[in-house]
Amino acid sequence: DIVMTQSPDSLAVSLGERATINCKSSQSVLYRSDNKNYLGWYQQKPGQPPKLLISGASIRESGVPDRFSGSGSGTDFTLSISSLHAEDVAVYYCQQYYISPITFGQGTRLEIK
Amino acid sequence: QVHLVQSGSEVRKPGASLKVSCKASGYTFSSYAIHWVRQAPGQGLEWMAWINVGTGNRKISQKFQGSVTLTRDTSANIVYMELTSLRSEDSAVYYCASPSMTTPALGHWGQGTLVTVSS
Repeated sequence: DIVMTQSPDSLAVSLGERATINCKSSQSVLYRSDNKNYLGWYQQKPGQPPKLLISGASIRESGVPDRFSGSGSGTDFTLSISSLHAEDVAVYYCQQYYISPITFGQGTRLEIK
Repeated sequence: QVHLVQSGSEVRKPGASLKVSCKASGYTFSSYAIHWVRQAPGQGLEWMAWINVGTGNRKISQKFQGSVTLTRDTSANIVYMELTSLRSEDSAVYYCASPSMTTPALGHWGQGTLVTVSS
């Protein structure tokens, strides 16, 4: 199974400041035939199901604010929030859907400093 | 607009079984995938299985083989996940989810079904 490791486990950032979450996969999730990374980022708020923010490592879903961005390729990925808003407090998960079984990172809890 | 609606909370004793349902609406085609993901209290997300509603093809994580069965009712667009031989460690919120139109990532999620296993 592909192991997804996020860092840090928790993060406190001031409102308006940048937040960065890293995700590393134990093997590449770049599919050579279409040159796409099979990597997604999810946001989960208490009592709610996860919400897909970014797929393909860098493609924002419709309706997701542009302060959220994803980058990286192969085995190393980053989710960035350019200017933290109060409503961004949540747990964030990376996920690979390159190969079964689908696997998630352990989650990163983002709080306001 | 795709919507996934799950059945309500359940309480079972250890060793019992239960069936959780996920009703999909908004799909304009008959072949789509429904995944199941669980989340134990205060823990992360764990993928369990998926089924293609149209073809019936399915895959179950090795961890859950033997204790999870997936079925579907194609006329009603409902997928069922049966959990057997429940243990207290199976207490969790169970989500169904499906890929969005533009990506295999899980763009649509049900509201979750809380399963409590307790004697």
